[in-house]
Amino acid sequence: AQSVAQPEDQVNVAEGNPLTVKCTYSVSGNPYLFWYVQYPNRGLQFLLKYITGDNLVKGSYGFEAEFNKSQTSFHLKKPSALVSDSALYFCAVRDLLSSRGSARQLTFGSGTQLTVLP
Amino acid sequence: EAQVTQNPRYLITVTGKKLTVTCSQNMNHEYMSWYRQDPGLGLRQIYYSMNVEVTDKGDVPEGYKVSRKEKRNFPLILESPSPNQTSLYFCASSSRGLGVADEQFFGPGTRLTVL
Repeated sequence: AQSVAQPEDQVNVAEGNPLTVKCTYSVSGNPYLFWYVQYPNRGLQFLLKYITGDNLVKGSYGFEAEFNKSQTSFHLKKPSALVSDSALYFCAVRDLLSSRGSARQLTFGSGTQLTVLP
Repeated sequence: EAQVTQNPRYLITVTGKKLTVTCSQNMNHEYMSWYRQDPGLGLRQIYYSMNVEVTDKGDVPEGYKVSRKEKRNFPLILESPSPNQTSLYFCASSSRGLGVADEQFFGPGTRLTVL
């Protein structure tokens, strides 16, 4: 079975400082990994994904994420946080070897509320 | 504009009164899915559909029904709603459910309260 853990419910960071939102995963095979962001009263928006290749993935709004296979992690990062980055962030994983085959879609983490303080 | 729409956005109902939440996408996507979002639990998949007339259960299907008669529409039906179905519901679609990990597009959400 595939699973995702976001160990921090809440992350606070000062504007202009670097931010990290943590994500670890568990799969049987090779993972597809995603980050989504949810602004208040909105649906989820895609930020970035890791499929294969370079371990550092760049996405929307200056975000990037680093895939670390040995630590089974996919942490979201941004060099300089903005107040407008304040939102709920979800990590998601899909196991290529899921027993339900390719029809099995994403498993989401519980979410991390990021607050950027001015 | 490419989008996933849901209606209604907000709904308050009573136990046992059948309701339908509609979902429509204009991107010609094959794959559609319903999720519920609850605090501390993230998003959990209710049902998904690989294409017209092809649907399957997700992680939490009890108490829900779906249908996929047309490619663009994927309604969620609660035949006899109960208070434990009070939640925030999201519909999502993507271009392919097989093979390549295409990102999903989400609707704006439907906040359902069952009294």
